[in-house]
Amino acid sequence: AQKVTQAQTEISVVEKEDVTLDCVYETRDTTYYLFWYKQPPSGELVFLIRRNSFDEQNEISGRYSWNFQKSTSSFNFTITASQVVDSAVYFCALRALIQGAQKLVFGQGTRLTINP
Amino acid sequence: GAGVSQSPRYKVAKRGQDVALRCDPISGHVSLFWYQQALGQGPEFLTYFQNEAQLDKSGLPSDRFFAERPEGSVSTLKIQRTQQEDSAVYLCASSPDRRTDTQYFGPGTRLTVL
Repeated sequence: AQKVTQAQTEISVVEKEDVTLDCVYETRDTTYYLFWYKQPPSGELVFLIRRNSFDEQNEISGRYSWNFQKSTSSFNFTITASQVVDSAVYFCALRALIQGAQKLVFGQGTRLTINP
Repeated sequence: GAGVSQSPRYKVAKRGQDVALRCDPISGHVSLFWYQQALGQGPEFLTYFQNEAQLDKSGLPSDRFFAERPEGSVSTLKIQRTQQEDSAVYLCASSPDRRTDTQYFGPGTRLTVL
């Protein structure tokens, strides 16, 4: 079975602080994809990044960076110099290629609040 | 371009009523997904279509839930004889084809069953 755990239910920081959102996953599949989505108050899930299991290179996109470590089954997300507009619920998700399964398995989400 | 759209955005139903939720995927997207998101939880998979074929319905919680995509574009999720536990946000997502893994989500329909 596949499982995604986001242990941090809520995080609150002051603007301009750096913040890291943790994600730990479980799968028996050797080929899988990991995702991060942002859900602002409007409710729509906004795609942020996708990584496949064969590519452990970390990625940076502006103030966002992702640290993928297969050895610890983790795919953590860091926001540098946080801004109020970063406030949202963030979801980590896994898609394992078992029998052609297409579904995403989501964690429970981390509610991030950036205070001015 | 236009993203995934869903209607209605909000639906209030009395227990026992039938409801129908609509999803318009991104034009040309082959794959379409439905997810259910309870308050304070992550989305949970309901069902998946590739064109008009429903290839996976393993997540549908009961036989009161039914989804269709007859022409391979617009999809409807129908819930019969709604119960209070059906109250949730229903999210629709689409992706270009089965080899492309990124799913793009709509704004969801918030269903409240009284």
